[in-house]
Amino acid sequence: ETGVTQTPRHLVMGMTNKKSLKCEQHLGHNAMYWYKQSAKKPLELMFVYSLEERVENNSVPSRFSPECPNSSHLFLHLHTLQPEDSALYLCASSHNRVNTGELFFGEGSRLTVL
Amino acid sequence: KNEVEQSPQNLTAQEGEFITINCSYSVGISALHWLQQHPGGGIVSLFMLSSGKKKHGRLIATINIQEKHSSLHITASHPRDSAVYICAVRSGATNKLIFGTGTLLAVQP
Repeated sequence: ETGVTQTPRHLVMGMTNKKSLKCEQHLGHNAMYWYKQSAKKPLELMFVYSLEERVENNSVPSRFSPECPNSSHLFLHLHTLQPEDSALYLCASSHNRVNTGELFFGEGSRLTVL
Repeated sequence: KNEVEQSPQNLTAQEGEFITINCSYSVGISALHWLQQHPGGGIVSLFMLSSGKKKHGRLIATINIQEKHSSLHITASHPRDSAVYICAVRSGATNKLIFGTGTLLAVQP
């Protein structure tokens, strides 16, 4: 139990579907992150939120839309995805300021786009 | 060339062996992280260090700032150590984490 919970763990969707990934952290952290992990590639940072405010968007296509309603919850809304978007999507949190300290990761949501 | 390089990419060991995984980086850093990712996908932070050496159980992490190099050692390896081990550095210039591609370790009984 890492204190960061992601749902669903597995998701299969067609290119025309709309779905959402959810992340919840029970650690009282103020910063939350979405990462993408594709096979044989390093983790790629997608979005960073600090106290519900988006502070970083790393040139992610608009078909990925993040939402952070409060400091404990983070969503990634998905629509009209492409097969190359199939990957493991990892949520993480850190205690205080963005981009400092240790990261606590969730188990990931494995996405397959058909 | 990646800013963070790990070697080897794949490693198979027999139970009980001493294991070393290496990480070299090319940027100035404020900290280096070693992470463990099990087949299910979740990532666990093992160490965060900026100098010297840290030990936790059978795991030891060392860093040489001058040589821009870190090693992760596993003593008395066990099949449950089988996982992907990822090195990540926090850039001193941008404060962002830069990840290596990971080392896949398989420990056979």
